[in-house]
Amino acid sequence: GIQVEQSPPDLILQEGANSTLRCNFSDSVNNLQWFHQNPWGQLINLFYIPSGTKQNGRLSATTVATERYSLLYISSSQTTDSGVYFCAVEDSQAGTALIFGKGTTLSVSS
Amino acid sequence: EPEVTQTPSHQVTQMGQEVILRCVPISNHLYFYWYRQILGQKVEFLVSFYNNEISEKSEIFDDQFSVERPDGSNFTLKIRSTKLEDSAMYFCASTRRTGENTIYFGEGSWLTVV
Repeated sequence: GIQVEQSPPDLILQEGANSTLRCNFSDSVNNLQWFHQNPWGQLINLFYIPSGTKQNGRLSATTVATERYSLLYISSSQTTDSGVYFCAVEDSQAGTALIFGKGTTLSVSS
Repeated sequence: EPEVTQTPSHQVTQMGQEVILRCVPISNHLYFYWYRQILGQKVEFLVSFYNNEISEKSEIFDDQFSVERPDGSNFTLKIRSTKLEDSAMYFCASTRRTGENTIYFGEGSWLTVV
């Protein structure tokens, strides 16, 4: 099945810093979503982005489908950005399920 | 904004007991899913459900698991005889699969098997 690799596994930032999270996937995808899992365990949709670039406030994401990677940019990080960021993809050759990466754990300190 | 709702939010059960986790997907969605996340690990796909039948399942979804859509709104996951290793967060999700195929997740049900 499709493999999803996220990097870095852990990231520690000072408030106000910028960061880039990466997601590599091993095959073509129909769907790619970025999620933020908050300290209460909730999975918050950030972006639906199988290709192209989107921006939402301080967050933006870019997926280059032909090169099989996606990037999540966080600018001017805040302590509330802390948590785990997951990339999840839907394999275009398989069913409709999202396959998750292992996540990037972000800690932002004030 | 419409959301996926799950009950209970937390459940503690004795090993060997049956558990039913309930979900109300977003009303105009057609595909429904259950995922689980063992503490500290990644989110894993269990099963997808479309047109009143299972469309896809993972190796995790063995004979102790079953899903059902008993009426027009609820979607349930039953674990027949719980084991310690079933302790996890269980997420329900749904999508329309027309246009933008965003999959929306519920807040999860924490299951602790003792």
